[in-house]
Amino acid sequence: DIQMTQSPSSLSASVGDTVSITCRASQSIGNYLHWYQHKPGEAPKLLIYAASNLQSGVPSRFSGSGSVTDFTLTISSLQPEDFATYYCQQSYSSALTFGPGTKLDFK
Amino acid sequence: QVQLVESGGGLVKPGGSLRVSCAASGFSFSDYYMGWIRQAPGKGLEWISYIHDRGDIMYYADSVKGRFTISRDNAGNSLSLQMDSLRADDTAVYYCARMAGYDYKDPFDYWGQGTLVTVS
Repeated sequence: DIQMTQSPSSLSASVGDTVSITCRASQSIGNYLHWYQHKPGEAPKLLIYAASNLQSGVPSRFSGSGSVTDFTLTISSLQPEDFATYYCQQSYSSALTFGPGTKLDFK
Repeated sequence: QVQLVESGGGLVKPGGSLRVSCAASGFSFSDYYMGWIRQAPGKGLEWISYIHDRGDIMYYADSVKGRFTISRDNAGNSLSLQMDSLRADDTAVYYCARMAGYDYKDPFDYWGQGTLVTVS
């Protein structure tokens, strides 16, 4: 199976900051990489699909980049509602895998 | 609007069985691949299974292969997960999710709120 890693595992920031989360795949996955936001007690939410495409309805302060094995989610001008856990997921292989998550909390 | 509502979670003893279901509405259910993802307490998301739109092809994570069975009823707009030989490490919130297109390469674009399964 393709292994996904994320860094950092946790991140403290303030409203208005810009933060980046990195996701790395254990082998080439092209651009078959998606990003989700998950808050406790809520359904996970798709943010970015195919590495860099913003899902409909998601604010433009979220952006994604990267290809092959290295990917980045950037959140510009953090808002209070952005504090959550973020996961990457590969769909290059039929055995889908998620990264371990990055928890973003208030500094 | 797209809605996915899971049900059937609960407490079950190790070695027991449980069936969780997902009622779908607001879209043409039979046109989409569907999947199950779980989150154990204090852990991250783990994909466990998905099923093609016609229900004829299914994929499973190694952790549940041979113990869990995914199925769908396109006439009734529902997705199910039959879980047998349950173990303590199957304790998790189980989420139903829609795959965005007609291929496993598409992301999960809508998720339910989840149903808690506790094996103890």
